[in-house]
Amino acid sequence: EVQLVESGGGLVQPGGSLRLSCAASGFTFSSYWMSWVRQAPGKGLEWVANIKQDGSEKYYVDSVKGRFTISRDNAKNSLYLQMNSLRAEDTAVYYCARTVGATTYYFDYWGQGTLVTVSS
Amino acid sequence: SYELTQPPSVSVSPGQTARITCSGDALPKQYAYWYQQKPGQAPVLVIYKDSERPSGIPERFSGSSSGTTVTLTISGVQAEDEADYYCQSADSSGPVFGGGTKLTVL
Repeated sequence: EVQLVESGGGLVQPGGSLRLSCAASGFTFSSYWMSWVRQAPGKGLEWVANIKQDGSEKYYVDSVKGRFTISRDNAKNSLYLQMNSLRAEDTAVYYCARTVGATTYYFDYWGQGTLVTVSS
Repeated sequence: SYELTQPPSVSVSPGQTARITCSGDALPKQYAYWYQQKPGQAPVLVIYKDSERPSGIPERFSGSSSGTTVTLTISGVQAEDEADYYCQSADSSGPVFGGGTKLTVL
């Protein structure tokens, strides 16, 4: 059974940093692209970043470029999102999602999400 | 930037057919995907590559494509189908989601 479990969310002040983690199990982690998708309170879904199987390619939505860094550790079956210079508009539930495809991406399994709140 | 347009809400009675549309200029060239999200839960993939259904998704869920519009059809709607539904596709910048449609089962 595919399982994705996020952790690391919490309350952080504007300008602060946070590192999210996603522990994967039930599939060959190193064979899949992985992504982070977020959802602001009461709003829709927004893709944030994705990373290739070996970590050699990483892509970001424009609003987080230069502030967020996606990474992975295939030996630990883990995905990460380092978030720096956080802003109020980054407040959201962040989902880890297994990603299918190299040109047309979609998300076939999702974690339960971790809430990030950016507020003073 | 690329946009996918969905109606904010759709309402149907139990047993009827619900149709949720998603429009986007690139849809003739890119596949569309559909996710169901119930309150407080993570999204679940219900349709991929316009019309394919993942294992475990009921047969009443189907997808179709025509030009710049894709449609999620739920036949014989049940109370448990009440949820938000999001379409998703991609452009050169990455994956893009529609704004979501709230399906209400009357």
